[in-house]
Amino acid sequence: EAQVTQNPRYLITVTGKKLTVTCSQNMNHEYMSWYRQDPGLGLRQIYYSMNVEVTDKGDVPEGYKVSRKEKRNFPLILESPSPNQTSLYFCASSLSRVFGRAEQYFGPGTRLTVT
Amino acid sequence: GESVGLHLPTLSVQEGDNSIINCAYSNSASDYFIWYKQESGKGPQFIIDIRSNMDKRQGQRVTVLLNKTVKHLSLQIAATQPGDSAVYFCAETPSSGNTGKLIFGQGTTLQVKP
Repeated sequence: EAQVTQNPRYLITVTGKKLTVTCSQNMNHEYMSWYRQDPGLGLRQIYYSMNVEVTDKGDVPEGYKVSRKEKRNFPLILESPSPNQTSLYFCASSLSRVFGRAEQYFGPGTRLTVT
Repeated sequence: GESVGLHLPTLSVQEGDNSIINCAYSNSASDYFIWYKQESGKGPQFIIDIRSNMDKRQGQRVTVLLNKTVKHLSLQIAATQPGDSAVYFCAETPSSGNTGKLIFGQGTTLQVKP
């Protein structure tokens, strides 16, 4: 089944404890992206990757890191999480960003709480 | 800076009626627009997209209209069904030179009354 998977789905952690949220897609998609969703603020893009080893900042990259060493995986790293990073996180992927091939598939979300 | 906004946070329609969800954007250089549907507890789901060189595009029961003169985007859903109840987001790619970036509006909740 074609899908985007995220792990963990739920995480409660403490300030400053490094964590990684994994994202994997099995559709051979070139493009992958991370978003956070907060009440009243909608979805905001954190980082995106046009292809392997190509990553770039979205609107809210501060406090996050990403890597794209292989096509299928795009982990989101929080080196020193803070309470303002408490949010619902979505990973998404698409074949490319060319019109007609840019349909994004979203993962189920990771709910992160930082205390 | 760029912003994408929806006119109404909530829209309530009768089952079987047509729904129109609106979105305004501020960047006249935006090249590509997408509508997403998000059901409770799930990730967003692609509905339909349109490029800036088009003014209309149709899918199954949905139509997206783009008015570049007033920087306005709308999603029309024909014969709205209870399964259409969800939050709808418009999103834009701010320029043709940076197609990876995507800016979302805050969302309109569509409620379908039986």
